[in-house]
Amino acid sequence: DAGVIQSPRHEVTEMGQEVTLRCKPISGHDYLFWYRQTMMRGLELLIYFNNNVPIDDSGMPEDRFSAKMPNASFSTLKIQPSEPRDSAVYFCASSLGSQETQYFGPGTRLLVL
Amino acid sequence: GENVEQHPSTLSVQEGDSAVIKCTYSDSASNYFPWYKQELGKRPQLIIDIRSNVGEKKDQRIAVTLNKTAKHFSLHITETQPEDSAVYFCAASWMDSSYKLIFGSGTRLLVRP
Repeated sequence: DAGVIQSPRHEVTEMGQEVTLRCKPISGHDYLFWYRQTMMRGLELLIYFNNNVPIDDSGMPEDRFSAKMPNASFSTLKIQPSEPRDSAVYFCASSLGSQETQYFGPGTRLLVL
Repeated sequence: GENVEQHPSTLSVQEGDSAVIKCTYSDSASNYFPWYKQELGKRPQLIIDIRSNVGEKKDQRIAVTLNKTAKHFSLHITETQPEDSAVYFCAASWMDSSYKLIFGSGTRLLVRP
């Protein structure tokens, strides 16, 4: 298996633009997580899905952020409109179970100018 | 609320010495405690985990201990090597409806040759 796949790996955009981050979890994993990592706030859970259903989105910072999982092999995290404070590395992770090893993707490094 | 505190934030040791990183958690209901290692510019990867029914777990040079009464757990790395240099994150999972992982703030370990 190729592991968790994320795209794009790097994204530079201007404030106000829409940003869409993509994730393909490991086949057979029922859980998918979106994290944001910054120096100031560390590693934060934004939202996670179980069997394509959002379970906990309490970490989503505000209405500008939205996430979807239309099927078991694809998820998106969208920011609209983007702001400079959204600059961070966004990781997607997947796992077989709720308290099993989470396998992280390579991350998307987002810079909002 | 849910919280995981991690200490120290940075740790420098001589190659061959031991390193210890400590974490405390706030909710006595938590029952799953993984440790992740993140090398510079890379993704977090699980190195060891422990569940609340076990007090200690070892895997070669790394070990984790859990004290449920005091609500803290520790990572021990013996015979440190330069390739152990990385940021280490502890995490805890709460036994509520979401089972989400809450991460500590991370410890930057530097092993001096």
